[in-house]
Amino acid sequence: DAGVIQSPRHEVTEMGQEVTLRCKPISGHNSLFWYRQTMMRGLELLIYFNNNVPIDDSGMPEDRFSAKMPNASFSTLKIQPSEPRDSAVYFCASTLGNGPYEQYFGPGTRLTVT
Amino acid sequence: AQSVTQLDSQVPVFEEAPVELRCNYSSSVSVYLFWYVQYPNQGLQLLLKYLSGSTLVESINGFEAEFNKSQTSFHLRKPSVHISDTAEYFCAVRPYGQNFVFGPGTRLSVLP
Repeated sequence: DAGVIQSPRHEVTEMGQEVTLRCKPISGHNSLFWYRQTMMRGLELLIYFNNNVPIDDSGMPEDRFSAKMPNASFSTLKIQPSEPRDSAVYFCASTLGNGPYEQYFGPGTRLTVT
Repeated sequence: AQSVTQLDSQVPVFEEAPVELRCNYSSSVSVYLFWYVQYPNQGLQLLLKYLSGSTLVESINGFEAEFNKSQTSFHLRKPSVHISDTAEYFCAVRPYGQNFVFGPGTRLSVLP
């Protein structure tokens, strides 16, 4: 398996623009997680899905952030409008389920908002 | 609520010296335990995990961790570190039936 795939790997955009980050989980995994990592705040869970359904989005910073999982093999994280403080590395991770299974992380998307 | 504490945010150590990275957790239910490693500009990779059975678990690159239920700890150790072990290390717990909780990470710097 190719592992968790994220695109783009790097994104540079101007303040106010819409940004869409994409994730393809490992085939067969039914839980998907979006994280944000910054030097100041470390690794933060934004939202996670079980069987394509959002379970906990309490980590989403504000209404500018939204996430969808239209099917088992694809998820998006959208920021609209983007702000400089959104600059971070965004990771997607997937896992097999609720049991004794580890998370598999993607390589991340480095977002820079100028 | 569950939480994970990694008391040392940074650990500098000389090459070939031993190292211990500490991890303590709190949980009202039993947990699965994990250590992840993040090399510069990469995602997190699983280093080792404790699910059940023997409380001492090992990785393929010489790290080991011991689950201590009474002290609610899962410290990571390596008897002799290499320059290539320089990375950030995250301890994580997954309480049974619940979501993952990650610690804040410990940055290990191996000095020549």
